[in-house]
Amino acid sequence: AQKITQTQPGMFVQEKEAVTLDCTYDTSDPSYGLFWYKQPSSGEMIFLIYQGSYDQQNATEGRYSLNFQKARKSANLVISASQLGDSAMYFCAMREGSSYKLIFGSGTRLLVRP
Amino acid sequence: DADVTQTPRNRITKTGKRIMLECSQTKGHDRMYWYRQDPGLGLRLIYYSFDVKDINKGEISDGYSVSRQAQAKFSLSLESAIPNQTALYFCATSDLTLDQPQHFGDGTRLSIL
Repeated sequence: AQKITQTQPGMFVQEKEAVTLDCTYDTSDPSYGLFWYKQPSSGEMIFLIYQGSYDQQNATEGRYSLNFQKARKSANLVISASQLGDSAMYFCAMREGSSYKLIFGSGTRLLVRP
Repeated sequence: DADVTQTPRNRITKTGKRIMLECSQTKGHDRMYWYRQDPGLGLRLIYYSFDVKDINKGEISDGYSVSRQAQAKFSLSLESAIPNQTALYFCATSDLTLDQPQHFGDGTRLSIL
């Protein structure tokens, strides 16, 4: 079974609207962490936001927030007020237990329309 | 200057050639990683190193080797390159804290003909 699943290969959003990118995960370890990265067309990997499994509140970083639903094993990224520069690939990743290794999903390509 | 620097940024080579991709970092992190990214797939871990004397295989280590020359330097080698190793390769670093992200270099785009 896949550890990280991103079911949306591609999405469109209108500029200035909010968008949610889905991520579900599979782990039996009670301690884990979830990361979101952005990959623009230039190719670099940019860290956006982190959620720990024991964090009581959903993580937020500027226009990025994480809708963490532990019972459903989902960690969806919400981007508010989309901008043209948000057009990119977005990857969800997980580390389990005390491991530093990251397991990545296959990504979602987001296109922001003017 | 970038905190994690990969060289070369692009490389085209032929099947059977030996190739080395280099990574250096100024972040002072002990942990370093090599990933490859194929179209339509996420990143997959090739090798990782927790310090100069600690090197571990990742998910897809066959056909690759690594060398950790110093805390700041971690090289990836393809001993005899084959076309299905054509991919985008990333080096990453992290510190000792589990809730801190890995920091990535800008990637090396490798094409094997």
